[in-house]
Amino acid sequence: SAVISQKPSRDICQRGTSLTIQCQVDSQVTMMFWYRQQPGQSLTLIATANQGSEATYESGFVIDKFPISRPNLTFSTLTVSNMSPEDSSIYLCSAYGGDGRMAEQYFGPGTRLTVT
Amino acid sequence: RKEVEQDPGPFNVPEGATVAFNCTYSNSASQSFFWYRQDCRKEPKLLMSVYSSGNEDGRFTAQLNRASQYISLLIRDSKLSDSATYLCVVNKLNTGNQFYFGTGTSLTVIP
Repeated sequence: SAVISQKPSRDICQRGTSLTIQCQVDSQVTMMFWYRQQPGQSLTLIATANQGSEATYESGFVIDKFPISRPNLTFSTLTVSNMSPEDSSIYLCSAYGGDGRMAEQYFGPGTRLTVT
Repeated sequence: RKEVEQDPGPFNVPEGATVAFNCTYSNSASQSFFWYRQDCRKEPKLLMSVYSSGNEDGRFTAQLNRASQYISLLIRDSKLSDSATYLCVVNKLNTGNQFYFGTGTSLTVIP
């Protein structure tokens, strides 16, 4: 398994500002993902963070709103830009080894974002 | 049609009961299957992978039926601590290792 940390764990932000969430994995992983989970809902995949190249975004999510970086195999950031109250959610980072060493997906503890 | 469908519940069962959840998936090319558990205000945590031959881990048994495209989770002798949301997850390796999550089934075990 992998140990994944995220920071901040929570934040309250004003509309129009941006927040960058960091995700650190304790070992090199093949893939990293960013999800959003709104209260009472299941997880929605925002994008796959690709090492050394642009992230792959899911329908409904765009790079200008959710820029993502992945400079190496253990670290990624997600920025929520020009926030509005609709962006209030839990943002989860996950990692996947893609092989026998780590064939399942593991999640960070999440970042609880409230936009006022 | 959703990639993964689950009965959202809620399931309210007494302690000691046996409860079963089913999950159906739409793509027959799906390769890997998992059950995750998510406690309130926490991240999902892997409960168990689901293997073709079925697998058991203590009170938990997972089954896969490829012909009917469903997976199941059986919990025996339910404990209060089993109360959580159980997420069915399917991985389609031929589409870039993308994971598809069900909406979750809520379980409450009652004393």
